Amino acid sequence: AQKITQTQPGMFVQEKEAVTLDCTYDTSDPSYGLFWYKQPSSGEMIFLIYQGSYDQQNATEGRYSLNFQKARKSANLVISASQLGDSAMYFCAMRPILTGGGNKLTFGTGTQLKVEL
Amino acid sequence: DAGVIQSPRHEVTEMGQEVTLRCKPISGHNSLFWYRQTMMRGLELLIYFNNNVPIDDSGMPEDRFSAKMPNASFSTLKIQPSEPRDSAVYFCASSSRDRGAGELFFGEGSRLTVL
Repeated sequence: AQKITQTQPGMFVQEKEAVTLDCTYDTSDPSYGLFWYKQPSSGEMIFLIYQGSYDQQNATEGRYSLNFQKARKSANLVISASQLGDSAMYFCAMRPILTGGGNKLTFGTGTQLKVEL
Repeated sequence: DAGVIQSPRHEVTEMGQEVTLRCKPISGHNSLFWYRQTMMRGLELLIYFNNNVPIDDSGMPEDRFSAKMPNASFSTLKIQPSEPRDSAVYFCASSSRDRGAGELFFGEGSRLTVL
């Protein structure tokens, strides 16, 4: 079984500052993928970034980077230079690789981010 | 490219009525997922299909829920009879293991209210 834990129900950050959203996970699968999604108030789910458990480097996508610490089982999302449009709910998710789990994603409970002027 | 298309976007119905939610996945994707989102329970996977075959329906709440995928371009989630506790946003998502990271692409969701 897989479990994703997001301990921050809400976060505030000032515009142009960086913010880190925490995510820890638990799995017995030797190989897995970690994902972050953004859900703005309009409701759609937007894929942001992916990290494979065997990737040597931390993933980056524009202003998003993933601080992956495998030994600590953490996959924190870092948003640099925050913008007002970054205000949204952010979900961490994971899926197993190679164990027949398909692409089934298990989601955390989310962190509501509010960017302030 | 067209994304995942869900209908209806909003549905208000009375307890006991049948509800059918529809989904058209992205062309070429071979996996399809139905998720439910509520404030209390967050995002829950209800069922998913690989190549039109149901793989895991352990998240389907009870016999009132059923899902079908008759072909690669269409899926339905049916609730019969509906109850107020079924009120939620239902998301359909699709993905391909052969492309990208296998990330899920979500539809805009169907917001169901059962009175």
